[in-house]
Order: sequence, then C-alpha cells, then structure tokens
Amino acid sequence: QSALTQPPSVSGSPGQSVTISCTGRSSDVGFYDRVSWYQQPPGTAPKLMIYEVAHRPSGVPDRFSGSKSGNTASLTISGLQAEDEADYYCCSYTSSRTWVFGGGTKLTVL
Amino acid sequence: QVQLQESGPGLVKPSETLSLTCTVSGGSNPIYYWSWIRQPPGKGLEWIAYIYSTGSTNYNPSLKSRVTISVDTSKNQFSLDLRSVTAADTAVYYCAREVASGHFDSWGQGTLVTVSS
Repeated sequence: QSALTQPPSVSGSPGQSVTISCTGRSSDVGFYDRVSWYQQPPGTAPKLMIYEVAHRPSGVPDRFSGSKSGNTASLTISGLQAEDEADYYCCSYTSSRTWVFGGGTKLTVL
Repeated sequence: QVQLQESGPGLVKPSETLSLTCTVSGGSNPIYYWSWIRQPPGKGLEWIAYIYSTGSTNYNPSLKSRVTISVDTSKNQFSLDLRSVTAADTAVYYCAREVASGHFDSWGQGTLVTVSS
C-alpha cells in the first residue's frame, strides 16, 4: 500500500491560517470517513488532533479543523501559534482493513 | 486514562527476530483494536499490524511475511515479532490503541530499536 501524499513542509506567521493536504485513493481516503490527523513535536509520540475527518477530541483547540473532498483530506490550523510547530501526519483506514499514513508535513511558525 | 508502555531490547542483530511487548494499564474496557506503528529515524509513520481483543489480526502487506502480532488479555499485553530484520527495520516502535470508529487515541511513548551487528 502506498503512503498518502502530503506536502513536505508548510509555514505561516503567528495568527495566520495554514492548510495541510492529504491525498490518497478511492480505496482509502475516498472510501471511508476514517481519516485522522496527528501532531508530533520532535522527540514525542504522535497526538490525535482530528478523527473521522472533522471531529476534534476533547482538549484539542477549535483552531484545528478537518475536511475532505473526494480522495483528498485537509487539516486547517487557524490563528497559528508558536506551539503549533510540529510534524503533522494524516492517516486513513483502507478497503483492505489496513491503515496507511501520509509522509508527514513539517509546520514552521515563522 | 489508559497508558501504554513498550518494552523490549533496544539492539537486535541482522537476520534475528525483533520482539516487543506493549503493556496496557488504566483502561477499564479491554475490547479494542491494538496496533503497532513504527517510525524510522527522520522519517514518517508506518502502520505494521493490529490485533483485536478476540485475536483477529491484520498486517501491512509489505511486512506481512515477517510479522506476527499476538495478545495476552490476562496480562493486558500485546506483542510484536518481526523476523529476519535488517538495518531498514531500525525505527522507533510505538504501540497504540485503535478506537473502532477509526483512529489511534492513545499511544505509548515509543521505543527505539536499532538493528546492527
């Protein structure tokens, strides 16, 4: 199974908004609404930020939002803060009952 | 609040078997899917396998021939065996709990396994 496609890096200034895309196939992102997003600061374990495309777990700021159109999912972070600087990974369930991650996107807050 | 903790050797020789255990504590409901996920140094996440509490499993097709995942519900543990390892298997290995609706809501801190002679 091939990894989902994410941009290697994105950047934005404090207060701005950034969007990270995650492109898959009709057999994964396009097949289910089981797309999730994880935040990973350096040296730490991933943390769930978005699940089922657009749902936020308790404790995740509402600055984080998710969406999906066809085979592409997106994570938008509005009102960027310095603490948002991290790697972000998308993940999708597949029609083969497996999981596939994106290659990761490094977010830099300028 | 559930906690997951990986354990196992940090160094494995090429061609040998990498064996890791994840111990789960603090959770009251044992019926979940449990996964292993790895991350080579400086690279992205790769899902390896999952096991359901009943014992049903599924594997990443690229690793399926070398991987076995098992569960011991009496000890609140699940385990990973990866056979015939090479340097390409050097990674931080995470165990994670998968909620049935489709996401990993709890992760262990990860353990670095280096494959080297």
